[in-house]
Amino acid sequence: SQQGEEDPQALSIQEGENATMNCSYKTSINNLQWYRQNSGRGLVHLILIRSNEREKHSGRLRVTLDTSKKSSSLLITASRAADTASYFCATGPVNSGGSNYKLTFGKGTLLTVNP
Amino acid sequence: DSGVTQTPKHLITATGQRVTLRCSPRSGDLSVYWYQQSLDQGLQFLIQYYNGEERAKGNILERFSAQQFPDLHSELNLSSLELGDSALYFCASSVEGVQETQYFGPGTRLLVL
Repeated sequence: SQQGEEDPQALSIQEGENATMNCSYKTSINNLQWYRQNSGRGLVHLILIRSNEREKHSGRLRVTLDTSKKSSSLLITASRAADTASYFCATGPVNSGGSNYKLTFGKGTLLTVNP
Repeated sequence: DSGVTQTPKHLITATGQRVTLRCSPRSGDLSVYWYQQSLDQGLQFLIQYYNGEERAKGNILERFSAQQFPDLHSELNLSSLELGDSALYFCASSVEGVQETQYFGPGTRLLVL
């Protein structure tokens, strides 16, 4: 079953606008990650935020995490046509002590940035 | 380029057949993960190997098996293939004990006819 649920499922914006995607999850996590996937290709890691962090920035990306609400958001500022892709949140489990870092992915948000 | 390689890129086969997908992790990464991506199920974790040993199992069918070799490359074997096994299969690798970021390969697109 999917741990993360992204919202919205699809988002269409104009170049230069900001894009915000949300992710909700169900169980306790060690970390939450965002990945990008261009059509039919491999996933590219964007950013990781740990459960004890509330906000993180990387270039035009800003991620927030609210563990009390079990939710996260990804903001892409000043979007470009090249940002067109599917964006997935993935949660890493609370580490039980073993080397088990399997990720549980949501179904993704399809972002289209129109030139 | 993530540094993770997967072969083949595309595979077309018939129902009932068996195929082997191969993955080479990034240099230095000890963990290999296999994921299946399909339209109806999304991205599903299948199995993880760490330094040659199975560490975690997800929604992997009994018809599927995997192993990690001493040189750390991994193979995913899919047998008695069904139409519903058509999907993208991704391999990812990570450095254990340092960070949990997983680096994904380009995937193998499997089509079962």
